[in-house]
Amino acid sequence: DAGVTQTPRHEVAEKGQTIILKCEPVSGHNDLFWYRQTKIQGLELLSYFRSKSLMEDGGAFKDRFKAEMLNSSFSTLKIQPTEPKDSAVYLCASRRLGLSSYEQYFGPGTRLTVL
Amino acid sequence: QQQVRQSPQSLTVWEGETAILNCSYEDSTFNYFPWYQQFPGEGPALLISISSVSDKKEDGRFTIFFNKREKKLSLHITDSQPGDSATYFCAARTGNTRKLIFGLGTTLQVQP
Repeated sequence: DAGVTQTPRHEVAEKGQTIILKCEPVSGHNDLFWYRQTKIQGLELLSYFRSKSLMEDGGAFKDRFKAEMLNSSFSTLKIQPTEPKDSAVYLCASRRLGLSSYEQYFGPGTRLTVL
Repeated sequence: QQQVRQSPQSLTVWEGETAILNCSYEDSTFNYFPWYQQFPGEGPALLISISSVSDKKEDGRFTIFFNKREKKLSLHITDSQPGDSATYFCAARTGNTRKLIFGLGTTLQVQP
């Protein structure tokens, strides 16, 4: 099976821009997670989908962050408008129902820099 | 406040030595503890995990020791290799949710 795919790998945005990050989970996986990774805060959960239904939308990240799962094999994370503090690595992970939930498979991440 | 804490923040050992990475937590409902390994430019990958009903889990050179009473666990990497140089994350999950809470990680450097 192919792993989790994320595009682009790197993104540079000006403050105030809208950016869309993309994720393709492992084929057959039902759960999809979006995380933000920084050295200060570590891995923070942004959104969690189960079989395309949004289960959690990340609380503090609601206002400018919107994750969508249009079909079982594709998800997007939109950040609008971007701010310099959004500079981080954004990770997508997927999991197959029936496995223990800690067995999340992560993509390589998208490194976002907001100027 | 971090619910899962890791120490040290960084660790350097010589090749062949045993590296010990520590993790502690607050929430007594946490019942699964996976450790993830992350290399630069890659996403984290599951390395080894333990359930709260066990006190030890071994997989090759990697061993988790778990102390439920003290809410502490540690990852021991024996015969450390330069290829083990990476950041290691301790995570925790409660039985009620499917979310993982991650620590901030320990960056391990193994010197040849």
